Amino acid sequence: EAGVAQSPRYKIIEKRQSVAFWCNPISGHATLYWYQQILGQGPKLLIQFQNNGVVDDSQLPKDRFSAERLKGVDSTLKIQPAKLEDSAVYLCASSLIAPNTGELFFGEGSRLTVL
Amino acid sequence: GENVEQHPSTLSVQEGDSAVIKCTYSDSASNYFPWYKQELGKRPQLIIDIRSNVGEKKDQRIAVTLNKTAKHFSLHITETQPEDSAVYFCAASKGNYQLIWGAGTKLIIKP
Repeated sequence: EAGVAQSPRYKIIEKRQSVAFWCNPISGHATLYWYQQILGQGPKLLIQFQNNGVVDDSQLPKDRFSAERLKGVDSTLKIQPAKLEDSAVYLCASSLIAPNTGELFFGEGSRLTVL
Repeated sequence: GENVEQHPSTLSVQEGDSAVIKCTYSDSASNYFPWYKQELGKRPQLIIDIRSNVGEKKDQRIAVTLNKTAKHFSLHITETQPEDSAVYFCAASKGNYQLIWGAGTKLIIKP
């Protein structure tokens, strides 16, 4: 079974530039998550999709971050403009249904460095 | 909303000894409690989980206990080995609501 795919693995940009991350979840998984993990901290949920709809985006900085999940499969997370504090690993995860029904499968992550 | 507190933040044990990590949660409606292991530079991976209708679950050297009355759950690792060195995260969830994560415990296994 293929895992969660993410790209790019690494990205270095200057502040005020924009960046986009892509995620392809495990086939058949209804729920997709984007997490931000700053070095030395736990994952922080940015947005949770179930199929096409947004379940939770309460911690997404909507003035600069946006995310979409087209056709309930792939998803993109965009940051524009980036700030220094956005430097982190952006983890995409998917699960079969709801978070309390079983395992979240994580991708390798996209490491963002903002200079 | 739900809050999950995890301690200790760092735990150093001698190889072969046991390690215990504890988490407390605030929302009594939470019904699912997973533990994830994250090795340096790697993705988090589920190692064990427990649901609110069970008090204890064991998988080889790893066990999790849940006390619903006190609203806390613990991860127990016996006969620790070097490959157990990692950061461990607890989490809590209810229904379709997001997983609330603890801050993590860095487990160091001393040879």
